[in-house]
Amino acid sequence: DARVTQTPRDKVTEMGQEVTMRCQPILGHNTVFWYRQTMMQGLELLAYFRNRAPLDDSGMPKDRFSAEMPDATLATLKIQPSEPRDSAVYFCASGPGTGQAGELFFGEGSRLTVL
Amino acid sequence: SQQGEEDPQALSIQEGENATMNCSYKTSINNLQWYRQNSGRGLVHLILIRSNEREKHSGRLRVTLDTSKKSSSLLITASRAADTASYFCATDGWFGNEKLTFGTGTRLTIIP
Repeated sequence: DARVTQTPRDKVTEMGQEVTMRCQPILGHNTVFWYRQTMMQGLELLAYFRNRAPLDDSGMPKDRFSAEMPDATLATLKIQPSEPRDSAVYFCASGPGTGQAGELFFGEGSRLTVL
Repeated sequence: SQQGEEDPQALSIQEGENATMNCSYKTSINNLQWYRQNSGRGLVHLILIRSNEREKHSGRLRVTLDTSKKSSSLLITASRAADTASYFCATDGWFGNEKLTFGTGTRLTIIP
């Protein structure tokens, strides 16, 4: 059963620490998305990759966030340094990348708490 | 920023009743999708409707799209306790790129 895998599921850290979240997209999918979900802002798109190339990271605070795809099986989202306002659930999603928006497959999310 | 706004924000109904949720969006689209999110879980795709379609069915789900009003509705018939979840609409934007912008969601509670 193909699924998007995210680690860690839960992370509690202190302000100023580096946080790295990882995502394994579904094999064969060539688009990867990072979303952040909070009660106040809902689901926000942070970054979007196609064939491992970043196409849009305009939703991401550039000074502290970075997103990469070292290879086709791994996407990372890094926050350095973390701040309490970064507390949220971070979702990775992948799609077959047909050139138009289609069904996205979401992971279970990484819940981040920054104290 | 959200493209879509769901209405109502929360809905509670008795099991067996029908549930209707509405979504309004701001810009022209190529397609609109609906997703479900169970508490503490990721989003799951339910149905996609294209801008040239007015209605689509999938099992107990019925989706309508009115592009002139920039609105969509999701109807769940004969609701079950397992339908308790948050429901989100998502739109792609006129240029049909692959990014999805999600609405604010409707929290549906089915009372057994």
